[in-house]
Order: sequence, then structure tokens, then C-alpha cells
Amino acid sequence: ETGVTQSPTHLIKTRGQQVTLRCSSQSGHNTVSWYQQALGQGPQFIFQYYREEENGRGNFPPRFSGLQFPNYSSELNVNALELDDSALYLCASSLVTAGTEAFFGQGTRLTVV
Amino acid sequence: GENVEQHPSTLSVQEGDSAVIKCTYSDSASNYFPWYKQELGKRPQLIIDIRSNVGEKKDQRIAVTLNKTAKHFSLHITETQPEDSAVYFCAASKGGATNKLIFGTGTLLAVQP
Repeated sequence: ETGVTQSPTHLIKTRGQQVTLRCSSQSGHNTVSWYQQALGQGPQFIFQYYREEENGRGNFPPRFSGLQFPNYSSELNVNALELDDSALYLCASSLVTAGTEAFFGQGTRLTVV
Repeated sequence: GENVEQHPSTLSVQEGDSAVIKCTYSDSASNYFPWYKQELGKRPQLIIDIRSNVGEKKDQRIAVTLNKTAKHFSLHITETQPEDSAVYFCAASKGGATNKLIFGTGTLLAVQP
């Protein structure tokens, strides 16, 4: 098992609400990326954080935002939730140095009703 | 942007047979190609990866081949076992970034005992 942990494991929200998901990276890892995995699909890259700043973003609207803290843990915030936001949200931590494997957390299953 | 296509979407083999999963990427600047295995309800786990400076890499029963000219890469599993049953995802990224991954849509591999 990796040292990447996410909370909560499951969450149900109502359309229009806001949600915050949390990720603790593996010890020694300074980079965190977030991915959205819809049912039956591959993970889609949302964004990456390095040194507390966004370091690359996929094709997601601004209502998806994030934070990285000095201890390298991270949050994903989603505003104005839509039904299509229902998915498994995965975070993955790594060292920014190229060549180091990305380790995934177990994910947060978000259901928007 | 980068697009990764993966085939087949489902693959059923008999125990002991070989399995091959193929991916095509669109961005010629991509230079890191990992393969992840995701068992039902679990996190994706890296099983093998390859960089664009090599054409083939092998790890016991698993091998990956890369054709940069054709922008194809493939996963080969020999002597399949029931515990190989899972969803397999290919991915690609640029700049050697191991955590800004563009994933394929996945292949559900079923190994029949």
C-alpha cells in the first residue's frame, strides 16, 4: 500500500453545493496531482500543485480549484456542483524530478444528486 | 491537446495465454508512457513504464514496446493468471512528467481459469 491517503472516502452532495476533498501525499513527495475518474473511464488530469502553486491544468473549468500546503498535502475544491461531477476523485503524489513514479490514493467517491 | 486511444476495451483470455493491449497517442512530444492496473474498487497501481529513449522494457511476465514513429505503445502479458484480471490503463505525458498523465479509456482483462 502507498502512503497517499484521501478523505473522505465517500460523499454525497446536492447540485449547486460546494465540496472540499483532501489528500495527504506520500512522505518525501512534493507534488500532488488530482484526477477525475468517471465510471468506466480512465482518470482525467485536473491539475497539479508544486510548491503550493498550480503547475499545470487539464481541461476543467475554474470552479475546480485547489490548494497545496507547506506539508505538501492538498485540497481539491469544486464549486457549484453539477450532476456530471459525480465521479471518483484520485490524487497522486510524486517528486517533481522526472523519473519518479506517481502513487495514487484510494480516491473519494463523490455523488451529486 | 494530447489524446490517448486504447484498444480493446475488453479482453478475455484463458489462463496461460498471452494478452496484448495497444495504445496510440497524438502528441509527438510525449516521452513517458506508464501502464497502470486498477482492480475493482482499488487505486491505480503502476505496473511498468517506458520512456521514449528505449523501444522495449520487460519485467518478468510483463513487457511494454514503444514505436515512436507510429506513436504506438503496447502492453504484453505472458502466461496470464487469474490474478491478472483487472482494468489496465495506458497513459502518456510530456517532459518526463510522471504525474501529469493523459490516460486511455482502459481495458478490462478477464483471465478465465
